[in-house]
Amino acid sequence: QQQVKQSPQSLIVQKGGISIINCAYENTAFDYFPWYQQFPGKGPALLIAIRPDVSEKKEGRFTISFNKSAKQFSLHIMDSQPGDSATYFCAASGSTGFQKLVFGTGTRLLVSP
Amino acid sequence: DSGVTQTPKHLITATGQRVTLRCSPRSGDLSVYWYQQSLDQGLQFLIQYYNGEERAKGNILERFSAQQFPDLHSELNLSSLELGDSALYFCASSVQIQDPSGDTQYFGPGTRLTVL
Repeated sequence: QQQVKQSPQSLIVQKGGISIINCAYENTAFDYFPWYQQFPGKGPALLIAIRPDVSEKKEGRFTISFNKSAKQFSLHIMDSQPGDSATYFCAASGSTGFQKLVFGTGTRLLVSP
Repeated sequence: DSGVTQTPKHLITATGQRVTLRCSPRSGDLSVYWYQQSLDQGLQFLIQYYNGEERAKGNILERFSAQQFPDLHSELNLSSLELGDSALYFCASSVQIQDPSGDTQYFGPGTRLTVL
């Protein structure tokens, strides 16, 4: 119940295309869903996050879509660029009291020029 | 730059040895988390400290231990090292447990441990 399932494991997208990464969770106590971006040799960095009181959040080319009833959320990267090539991790946690982040297994994105 | 610092950046040692990894959280952050990242296992949560006290344990081996000091820096001690302990070790910090924004964690650059 603590797992966050992430797919696909890897993704190749043409420059200018849309990258879509999906995550699913079981624990209904989760109410905070961040996405992290990690470049090779670097630590993960917070990219964008959403709480379930909204169904979508957009920051620049990055959008999180959230489906509470399906317990799924996804990251969309519009107009994907080679500089977006990185590993993306979804995560989930509760926000009342102590709740540790549970990470998905990661998606390695390659944007081809 | 996340504001979280980790030292050393690289560490090469032999099996059976003991090493200490160090982490300084962002200014004002009270929580420190340790993660292990290997090629085939993603980010594995090891342990969390809040203001000097252990608050949660994940998949941390008995050969590993950690502590958080009064100045809030943290150390992860790895002993009786095995080849399989070779990995990236990340430290992350967050403001506090009950952050209304959720548990936003900021990661350091990591320590790459190679056990030969």
